[in-house]
Amino acid sequence: SQQGEEDPQALSIQEGENATMNCSYKTSINNLQWYRQNSGRGLVHLILIRSNEREKHSGRLRVTLDTSKKSSSLLITASRAADTASYFCATGETGGFKTIFGAGTRLFVKA
Amino acid sequence: EAGVAQSPRYKIIEKRQSVAFWCNPISGHATLYWYQQILGQGPKLLIQFQNNGVVDDSQLPKDRFSAERLKGVDSTLKIQPAKLEDSAVYLCASSLDEALLSMNTEAFFGQGTRLTVV
Repeated sequence: SQQGEEDPQALSIQEGENATMNCSYKTSINNLQWYRQNSGRGLVHLILIRSNEREKHSGRLRVTLDTSKKSSSLLITASRAADTASYFCATGETGGFKTIFGAGTRLFVKA
Repeated sequence: EAGVAQSPRYKIIEKRQSVAFWCNPISGHATLYWYQQILGQGPKLLIQFQNNGVVDDSQLPKDRFSAERLKGVDSTLKIQPAKLEDSAVYLCASSLDEALLSMNTEAFFGQGTRLTVV
C-alpha cells in the first residue's frame, strides 16, 4: 500500500517559474522525505523534515509539513530544465523504520 | 563514499523462469530495503531488513518471491517462477537509521535492476 499521495500527478512549467507539489498521508509519522527520480535512474534524496519541524530549506527547495492536516508541500523556486524529473514523497511511520512512497508528481520544465 | 551497488542492471527472462538480484548496501547501514517500481508508479516496499532480520515483508508475494540478507550485509532477491506482471525495476536501498530514536533516516538507492518478463 502507498502512504503518500502526491498532487498534481503531472506539472508542466516554464523555466524560471516556481513548482509546487503536494503530498498527503494517512498515518502518524516520524518524518517525511522528498526524493527525485530522473528517467531510468535511481531515486535521489532531496530533503527530510521531521514531525516536529514545520518548514525546511535546502538551496532552491522549500518543504513544509502540517501534521494536523497530514500534508506536506515541496516548492522548487526558479526552476531549471534539469529539474525535469519525478518527485516522490516518502513517510517514515511512527514507531518503526518503514519508508513508504507515494505515486509521485511528474514535473516537466520547458526551456 | 561508495553507493548502493546492484546487479545486474538489466534482465530479460521468460515467464516461469527464475531470476535473482543482488544488492550491496552502503557500509555500516543497518537497514536494507527492496522496492518494486512498476512503470509510472511509485516504489512499493517489498521487504525491509534491519541487520539480518526481517522488519516488514507484508507486501512480498511469498509464493514466488524470497529474499535474504546474509550476515547483515549483502542481500539477494529471488523470483521463482516469474510472471509477466513482475516486469518492473527492482530497487535496493539502505539507510543508517537512528535506532536509539526509533526513527528512520534518508535512504540511499542503487540504480536498480530493470526486469522484463516475456
